[in-house]
Amino acid sequence: AQKVTQAQTEISVVEKEDVTLDCVYETRDTTYYLFWYKQPPSGELVFLIRRNSFDEQNEISGRYSWNFQKSTSSFNFTITASQVVDSAVYFCALSETQGGSEKLVFGKGTKLTVNP
Amino acid sequence: DAGITQSPRHKVTETGTPVTLRCHQTENHRYMYWYRQDPGHGLRLIHYSYGVKDTDKGEVSDGYSVSRSKTEDFLLTLESATSSQTSVYFCAIGKDRTTYEQYFGPGTRLTVT
Repeated sequence: AQKVTQAQTEISVVEKEDVTLDCVYETRDTTYYLFWYKQPPSGELVFLIRRNSFDEQNEISGRYSWNFQKSTSSFNFTITASQVVDSAVYFCALSETQGGSEKLVFGKGTKLTVNP
Repeated sequence: DAGITQSPRHKVTETGTPVTLRCHQTENHRYMYWYRQDPGHGLRLIHYSYGVKDTDKGEVSDGYSVSRSKTEDFLLTLESATSSQTSVYFCAIGKDRTTYEQYFGPGTRLTVT
């Protein structure tokens, strides 16, 4: 069965520091998708990125970047020059296909606190 | 933002009472999901639907039932609420099987006393 491990339960940094959130996954599927979601203190879940298993190119979006490595089954998320607004819980997720229905398996989340 | 609403947004109920949470979407997406979020557990899937009247169980389905009579509505029912069902419940929608992307509603905070 699919599994997602976010080993870092909580991380605390000072503003402008770079921070990397780790995500390690397990799957037997040859085709799969990986995701990151952000949950700010207000509670909503915000979709950040989707990456399919055939595309190992790193992606950058502003201060956010994602490093996908199939060899180590990892999909890590880096925030450069962190800001207080980046404080949130971040979830990594992995697609799971069962009986033709789409599902996502989520990690337990990493709580990031960025202090001024 | 995806058009997903959940009602109620907050509810306090007593043990043993039935509770129904509603998820409504305006996106005409095929897939709908109910999750619960608890400290230390992340998001866990309760039930999901892949079409009208087509539903299936997720990881933590005991004590919950669902119904989907229309594309836009997905109901989650706790037949007899227990304190262990105190949680934040999120509904999500998914468009198709090509992307697996899911978009979440604002959540419902349920407290069972």
